[in-house]
Amino acid sequence: DVQLVESGGGLVQPGGSLRLSCAASGFSFSTYWMSWVRQVPGKGLEWVANIKQDGSETSYVDSVKGRFTISRDNGKNSLFLQMNSLRADDTAIYYCARGVSLAYWGQGTLVTVSS
Amino acid sequence: DVVMTQSPLSLPVTLGQPASISCTSSQSLVSSDGNTYLHWFQQRPGQSPRRLIYKVSNRDSGVPDRISGSGSGTDFTLKISRVEAEDVGVYYCIQGAHWPLTFGQGTRLEIK
Repeated sequence: DVQLVESGGGLVQPGGSLRLSCAASGFSFSTYWMSWVRQVPGKGLEWVANIKQDGSETSYVDSVKGRFTISRDNGKNSLFLQMNSLRADDTAIYYCARGVSLAYWGQGTLVTVSS
Repeated sequence: DVVMTQSPLSLPVTLGQPASISCTSSQSLVSSDGNTYLHWFQQRPGQSPRRLIYKVSNRDSGVPDRISGSGSGTDFTLKISRVEAEDVGVYYCIQGAHWPLTFGQGTRLEIK
């Protein structure tokens, strides 16, 4: 079965940094684009970033460009999201998802940006 | 960015009755490869989103056949032929034809 398990969320002060991880299993990780999507608790969904199979192409929503970096380690079946210069409006549950059509999702990890 | 507009935003339905959700995009979702990248997701209370339908009308594995998707160009519909208790949740459409990917606001389905 496909499994995606996010980790690394927590409470961070404005201006701080956090690195999210997503451990993938049950499929051939290196053959899929991967994505990050976030959701403010109780609100809607927002696509954040995605990355091509070999990491050669990445895309970001405008609000995180220059602050967030998506990366992957195909040898460890892992996806990452490095988040710098965090702001209060980055507070959300962050999900990793398989592919650009988001066929499978993890359970999410909560990031809270607050002083 | 492509704006995705769902209606209604709240959908109270009697058990066993049909339900329909509309999703309209501000641009055509037909890609240069001929595919239409419109997908539907369900988020049950307390759960992660789950994809139900991809590329307009293709059901994902395990999705009951009482759930269907249709549409073309800029206008799309998700239909549930007979609502069951397990259908309670929020439904989202998403377009994948243009960057950035964008979601609709969500439609909350509840049992009347």
